[in-house]
Amino acid sequence: GESVGLHLPTLSVQEGDNSIINCAYSNSASDYFIWYKQESGKGPQFIIDIRSNMDKRQGQRVTVLLNKTVKHLSLQIAATQPGDSAVYFCAEKRGAAGNKLTFGGGTRVLVKP
Amino acid sequence: DAGVIQSPRHEVTEMGQEVTLRCKPISGHNSLFWYRQTMMRGLELLIYFNNNVPIDDSGMPEDRFSAKMPNASFSTLKIQPSEPRDSAVYFCASSLAHPTDTQYFGPGTRLTVL
Repeated sequence: GESVGLHLPTLSVQEGDNSIINCAYSNSASDYFIWYKQESGKGPQFIIDIRSNMDKRQGQRVTVLLNKTVKHLSLQIAATQPGDSAVYFCAEKRGAAGNKLTFGGGTRVLVKP
Repeated sequence: DAGVIQSPRHEVTEMGQEVTLRCKPISGHNSLFWYRQTMMRGLELLIYFNNNVPIDDSGMPEDRFSAKMPNASFSTLKIQPSEPRDSAVYFCASSLAHPTDTQYFGPGTRLTVL
């Protein structure tokens, strides 16, 4: 079936360094992508989104890159802080699927002081 | 602003019992989503509603699961009878109706079925 990055790798990063979290998606019809952050014991929290007509979008300390050719999405976090320790999920929507989000398996980010 | 409210936060029950999870979406949001999260399967959409009407329930695992949204400010997810494999964290999320509107998640209900 269709999948969005179904794995849970762990990224260990030094405080202050930049983090890059990757996500592969398989459905070329996906036209909207979102990154969520989930801290322990909490629900996913929206970080940033990007539409398929863009290849880059920047937020506060975060940048999302979209490469539709290879169906790849990445989230870059600048100057990673201890509060960035969490599980990060990419999610996709397809226009024909209405509001339905399909989530990837997530990446755990551990920030070392 | 109150976010999505879910109750209870934790539920422990025995196999065969009925379980009802509750959700109050953000005021003004007209889409509501129920998700289940497990280590094995990750975050899965179970069902979602637009304007209180179920739109897609293809993720509901089986007939033991049912969801209702009697009005714009309340939804329930019921499992009857519950089984140990239903143990998971259940999240409710809400958004405005446009497909690119952000989904805001509640804190979740951790369900343990013994």
